[in-house]
Amino acid sequence: QLQLQESGPGLVKASETLSLTCTVSGGSISTSYYYWGWIRQPPGKGLEWIGNIYYTGKTTYVNPSLKSRVTISMDTSKNQFSLKLTSVTATDTAVYYCARRVGSSSHRDYWGQGTLVTVSS
Amino acid sequence: QSALTQPASVSGSPGQSITISCTGSSSDIGGYNYVSWFQQHPGKAPKLMIYDVSNRPSGVSNRFSGSKSADTASLTISGLQAEDEADYYCNSYTSSSTWVFGGGTKLTVL
Repeated sequence: QLQLQESGPGLVKASETLSLTCTVSGGSISTSYYYWGWIRQPPGKGLEWIGNIYYTGKTTYVNPSLKSRVTISMDTSKNQFSLKLTSVTATDTAVYYCARRVGSSSHRDYWGQGTLVTVSS
Repeated sequence: QSALTQPASVSGSPGQSITISCTGSSSDIGGYNYVSWFQQHPGKAPKLMIYDVSNRPSGVSNRFSGSKSADTASLTISGLQAEDEADYYCNSYTSSSTWVFGGGTKLTVL
């Protein structure tokens, strides 16, 4: 059974960089043809798609509203993928989820439990 | 990119059917059959209920069905049960090779 687990600091200071890692177990992130991505949800609000990375690690897609601040990468040796969000503000406070999507479909089937990141001033 | 438009809330009695709409544009819902629906209970991660407009993942009740007409997708839940009370989100692929969610709909089972 595939499992995804987010990890990283729960508190980040404003203007600094938010860094999260998603560790995948029960399967390889290098398996064709999956996308590995990040979605966030501010407290009491809706879901926002952040971006994803293809299983090859060579292609990423990012929400245009976040594009200048987001980097998504993979570490196949650790079976992990990561999110970096620079210059954070209070509006970046959210629960961050990692998830897997099957290529050529909207089948986003496996999700992590989510991790709350609070941006402090 | 603008969020897809969903009603803020819907309600129904046990046993009834309800439909949640999700309106986008020709650049997202209208242009692709890549629409999914997620159910989210408080404090939990979203759960995939429908993908590619009308497909149900294994293990999801056949009381859940999806459809699309032009720029609007719909999720129908028949035989409403208390456990269906949750937030529901639609999600669509866009012409920019990105994804966009709806604002979410709170379903109340009366």
